[in-house]
Order: sequence, then structure tokens, then C-alpha cells
Amino acid sequence: DQQVKQNSPSLSVQEGRISILNCDYTNSMFDYFLWYKKYPAEGPTFLISISSIKDKNEDGRFTVFLNKSAKHLSLHIVPSQPGDSAVYFCAASAASGTYKYIFGTGTRLKVLA
Amino acid sequence: ETGVTQSPTHLIKTRGQQVTLRCSSQSGHNTVSWYQQALGQGPQFIFQYYREEENGRGNFPPRFSGLQFPNYSSELNVNALELDDSALYLCASSLKGAETQYFGPGTRLLVL
Repeated sequence: DQQVKQNSPSLSVQEGRISILNCDYTNSMFDYFLWYKKYPAEGPTFLISISSIKDKNEDGRFTVFLNKSAKHLSLHIVPSQPGDSAVYFCAASAASGTYKYIFGTGTRLKVLA
Repeated sequence: ETGVTQSPTHLIKTRGQQVTLRCSSQSGHNTVSWYQQALGQGPQFIFQYYREEENGRGNFPPRFSGLQFPNYSSELNVNALELDDSALYLCASSLKGAETQYFGPGTRLLVL
């Protein structure tokens, strides 16, 4: 049972335009969500997070939106740059004390110059 | 401030063998989590260590075991290797109570 789903395995966007990556979850106990970016041969790099008490968090070109009623979050990258080309994972955790993350399967973003 | 480091970077083993993977936490971090990432999948939580004790475990059999040392570095041990254990093994460190984990580059294990 996949508790965190990223239904788009890949996305191509023109440089300068907006990239929107989506993530859905099924477990209503999740209360903390994160986005990681992963380049080949490297570990995931933390991008941005959001707690369930918020519906939006912004950090520079990256904004994460959380819709708790729809159990949906999205990552917006504006403007997209070629260096943003990577695999993006969303992850969720419940406040169980362990903070174990449940990851989605990832979306490969390609930003075209 | 040094980030999370892992060794070795690559490893090839045969079925039935045992393997030990190592992780050094980011400076000041006292909690270490291990994840397995199979090809085309997201990372899957194996277990977490805090103060040298296991602090949570995912759906992995007992042949996956770990250790955390007083300097917060950690080992992942896998006994009786199976072909399906071939994956990227990621270590992540954090401060206890802090929700953001920082990942190392991973160890790629191939079981033949």
C-alpha cells in the first residue's frame, strides 16, 4: 500500500517557466511533509518542508502548498532553471517520535534551456 | 561543518554473504536513520538510532541490524544477503526532535 504517491514519473518544463510537482498521501496521521531533490550518484538534498498547521511555505524560488482536505501537496518552482533538473521526492512523517519518512516514488524534472 | 558521509561508495557481494555499511553523522546530529532505495523507487525506512538504541523500525526482517556508536556514527549490517537486497543504502542524520533529516551520498550494493 503506497501511502505517498507521486503519479507523474516525469515532467519537462521550459527554462523560466513554472514547474509544478504533485504528491498525494493517504494517511491522515501525517503531519509533516518534505521535498527532496536528488541528482544521480548523490543522496537526496533537503529542499523545503511544511507542517500540517500551515498551507503554504515559501523559500526563494520554491513554494510548497498543502491541501489537507484533499491530502495533496505540491511543489512550485518559479522560475525553473536547467540546474533544477533532478528527481524530486516528496516525503511525509507522523509525529510518532521516530520521524520516519515515507517517500513517494519520485518525479524526474527536466528543465529545457 | 561536515555533512553526512558513507562508506564504501560501491560494494559487490554474493548471495548468503554478510555486509557492513558505515555512516558518519553531520556534526552535532545525534540521530541516524537508514533507508533502502531500490531502482525506480523512493527510499524505504529501515530503522533509526538515537543514543545507541534502536528508536523505530520499518518493515525489514531481523537480518537487517544496526549499531550507533558514542560519536553518533552508525553501521548497517545485513546478513544472509539476497538478490533483492541490491539497492542504494542511504543514511540520514538529524537532531532528536528536529524533523528534517540530512542524507549522505549512499552506498550502492549489488548482490550477485
